[in-house]
Amino acid sequence: SSELTQDPAVSVALGQTVRITCQGDSLRNYYASWYRQKPGQAPILVIYGKNNRASGIPDRFSSSKSGNTASLTITGAQAEDEADYYCNSRDSSGDHPHLFGAGTKLTVL
Amino acid sequence: EMQVEESGGGLVQPGRPLRLSCTTSGFTFGDYAMSWVRQAPGKGLEWVSLIRSKFYGGTTEYAASVKDRFTISRDDSKRIAYLQMNSLKSEDTAVYYCARKSAWGDAFDIWGQGTMVTVSS
Repeated sequence: SSELTQDPAVSVALGQTVRITCQGDSLRNYYASWYRQKPGQAPILVIYGKNNRASGIPDRFSSSKSGNTASLTITGAQAEDEADYYCNSRDSSGDHPHLFGAGTKLTVL
Repeated sequence: EMQVEESGGGLVQPGRPLRLSCTTSGFTFGDYAMSWVRQAPGKGLEWVSLIRSKFYGGTTEYAASVKDRFTISRDDSKRIAYLQMNSLKSEDTAVYYCARKSAWGDAFDIWGQGTMVTVSS
């Protein structure tokens, strides 16, 4: 079945750049959206479409896509960026018209 | 301010039904598709269901795990989306989020705070 694969955990030093990736066949046809979720809170949209930041999201967040892999990049990570990040895309095949990755826990050191 | 708020969660026995509501404000509800996404305790996000606007026929989609048990609907006059959950199983235990589907692309741009559903005897 279709799925989106993310690394379970990634860490970055404060102020450095980090890339969070998402792989899946659906990404060959659709852009990924990215969501941030902090403990005990609801997810919020970070990036959608071809590198569009949601309202209120700082410009240190950006996205890209190549083949079946989408990436979320944080340039100059801040302490407040520590959270779980989920990718999401539409899927025209399989049993789940919309897919979420399992999430990546980002730790800012 | 654009908002969505879920309600209707609680403790329910396996096999029993439960209906969740998603009350919205601050945007033209009828213009948007609405979705439900759930998160089991300590787990990731799982998309559950979506209903399109009347302009796009009000068509619905479901994850395989809930198809034939859950029904999504909407009342545009009340600005509410519903999720009728039947034949509940322990694996349906989760926080259920209501989310608005963006007008551009397939993203979910406004989320509620979620309502907890616990399926247990």
